[in-house]
Amino acid sequence: AQKITQTQPGMFVQEKEAVTLDCTYDTSDPSYGLFWYKQPSSGEMIFLIYQGSYDQQNATEGRYSLNFQKARKSANLVISASQLGDSAMYFCAMRYGGATNKLIFGTGTLLAVQP
Amino acid sequence: GAVVSQHPSRVICKSGTSVKIECRSLDFQATTMFWYRQFPKQSLMLMATSNEGSKATYEQGVEKDKFLINHASLTLSTLTVTSAHPEDSSFYICSASSVDSPSYEQYFGPGTRLTVT
Repeated sequence: AQKITQTQPGMFVQEKEAVTLDCTYDTSDPSYGLFWYKQPSSGEMIFLIYQGSYDQQNATEGRYSLNFQKARKSANLVISASQLGDSAMYFCAMRYGGATNKLIFGTGTLLAVQP
Repeated sequence: GAVVSQHPSRVICKSGTSVKIECRSLDFQATTMFWYRQFPKQSLMLMATSNEGSKATYEQGVEKDKFLINHASLTLSTLTVTSAHPEDSSFYICSASSVDSPSYEQYFGPGTRLTVT
C-alpha cells in the first residue's frame, strides 16, 4: 500500500530565511512521482514542484527545491528566502496506480512566515 | 493554460436535498477527472476517478449511490451529492489530467464549499 507521511503539523520561519518541510513516502512501485502543493486559506491547490522516481537530479522551481533521497524514501521541500505570502498549508503527494495516476496526499504542514 | 473551474464555489443546502457541483477544464481536454473531499484541517481524500464516457471508479468506503459522478464530455464532470446530510458538509475539489499532462500532473479546480443545514 502507498503512504505519505508529513510529521510536521506546523512550522514557523522568519522572513527571508530558508525552511525545509519533511515528507517521507512508502510504495513498492518502481515508478512513481512526488508532488508538492501549496494550499492557501482560499482553498485552491497550487502546484509547486515535481520529482519523478527515475529523475537523477533534484527538482528545482524558482525558490522551491526538492531534496529527493530515494534510498531513504524522502522528498523534502526546501523553500529559500521565505516571503510572507508563503504562509499556507503545504501538502506532499505521491502519484501511484500506474495508468490511473491517482494521488495520495500527506496530512500537510502549516507554514507561518513571520516578519 | 491548464485551467480548471468549479461551480458553484459555495453552496448551502437543506438536509435531504441534492446538490450538483460542476468541474470544467477550460483550455484542455481532460481524459481523466478526479474528485476529492477535504474536511477542515485535514488532507485531501480521493473519492473517485472518472474517465470520459465511462463509469466512475470509487474509492473504498465512498458510497456510489450517494455521490453520483458523471463525466459526459472531455471538458465536464459533475458530482451530485444526493440526499445531503450535515455530515456531507465539506470542501469538494476536482482535478483533471490529460494524456498530454507533463508528469501526469493533475490540474486542480478552486474547490466548492458545501454546507448542509
